[in-house]
Amino acid sequence: DTGVSQDPRHKITKRGQNVTFRCDPISEHNRLYWYRQTLGQGPEFLTYFQNEAQLEKSRLLSDRFSAERPKGSFSTLEIQRTEQGDSAMYLCASSGAGTSGGGEQFFGPGTRLTVL
Amino acid sequence: QKEVEQNSGPLSVPEGAIASLNCTYSDRGSQSFFWYRQYSGKSPELIMFIYSNGDKEDGRFTAQLNKASQYVSLLIRDSQPSDSATYLCAVNDDYKLSFGAGTTVTVRA
Repeated sequence: DTGVSQDPRHKITKRGQNVTFRCDPISEHNRLYWYRQTLGQGPEFLTYFQNEAQLEKSRLLSDRFSAERPKGSFSTLEIQRTEQGDSAMYLCASSGAGTSGGGEQFFGPGTRLTVL
Repeated sequence: QKEVEQNSGPLSVPEGAIASLNCTYSDRGSQSFFWYRQYSGKSPELIMFIYSNGDKEDGRFTAQLNKASQYVSLLIRDSQPSDSATYLCAVNDDYKLSFGAGTTVTVRA
């Protein structure tokens, strides 16, 4: 049984550089979510996909952030011109076509981003 | 995002005791409620979900939902040192989840 996987697990970058993260959801799940979590806080929603369609983006998501899910399989999250405030754990989750409210979401191990 | 409030921790309980965690939410229309456990430096792990008013039991965990009071709780019976973690309450907001800040539980031997 393969859960949600994310790559890389850790990323250290310098301010102003671009970074890209990858998420592979549970294979039968059609919904994929990106969240961001900082120390002492719960995960904060960024965006989500149903199959290949990006259905919602948080208003907190600046135009430096972009996400894709080509062919409805894996997803990438790119941050351009990184800032120190982008330092966080980036979490990917997936869920199946379940009950109302999207069903149960299962998280990957996360990518910890440090911007120097 | 919709507001989800959790009782502030940390919560320290002796081994074998019951840990009680509380969560309130702002949107009366919320339909799905989740409890995640998160160990330090790790990602959230789903441990319970509840959709209907009342109690739901799974092993040592019991989730309780009261939609009229907009309140959901988690009871951990016979607490073990391995239960020491941060517990996150989450509520659906359409398809996405709104999370509380979490309550850190420490089980002391």
